[in-house]
Amino acid sequence: SAVISQKPSRDICQRGTSLTIQCQVDSQVTMMFWYRQQPGQSLTLIATANQGSEATYESGFVIDKFPISRPNLTFSTLTVSNMSPEDSSIYLCSAPGGGQRPVDEQFFGPGTRLTVL
Amino acid sequence: QKEVEQNSGPLSVPEGAIASLNCTYSDRGSQSFFWYRQYSGKSPELIMSIYSNGDKEDGRFTAQLNKASQYVSLLIRDSQPSDSATYLCAVRVGNFNKFYFGSGTKLNVKP
Repeated sequence: SAVISQKPSRDICQRGTSLTIQCQVDSQVTMMFWYRQQPGQSLTLIATANQGSEATYESGFVIDKFPISRPNLTFSTLTVSNMSPEDSSIYLCSAPGGGQRPVDEQFFGPGTRLTVL
Repeated sequence: QKEVEQNSGPLSVPEGAIASLNCTYSDRGSQSFFWYRQYSGKSPELIMSIYSNGDKEDGRFTAQLNKASQYVSLLIRDSQPSDSATYLCAVRVGNFNKFYFGSGTKLNVKP
């Protein structure tokens, strides 16, 4: 399966500031995905990041709040803008496993635990 | 109605028993089905994928899919305390991009 890393692993931020989360995959992938997991909840897809095009956002998530970059086939960033305490969550990126694995199997990075004060 | 429903548990089983985890989904167009294991404070780890009706076995894990009943299950044989985690059911609907996750079932395996 793909090896996915994320930075930072955790952060504590002040209300009104922004945080950019980085996701690196060890192989080239067409699509990368960003999820949010709020405390005690399941995963919610924020957006799909395609290389060379705008990210596709799910209902309830907008580009102004969660801008995404995808400069190449192994890297993506998610920015959480103008943060409020409600943004406190774990943010996860995922990507297909690649190789012989089915293309729709997704593997997750270790996550970024964000706390907004 | 949620796209993917799971009993939140906790489900408690003794060590060595079979743990049975269940999941239902609402969209008949769902194509692919996945079970993830998530330890507290960690990210989800893919343990099984299943695409056709019937059973799929991998070691101590068996995934079962019944598309007519819109039902997916995961059986864990010879449960170990290390299996204690939250198990997430995920379903791919339509486009490749669209995954829905259930809320997860917390499994406790007691020594």
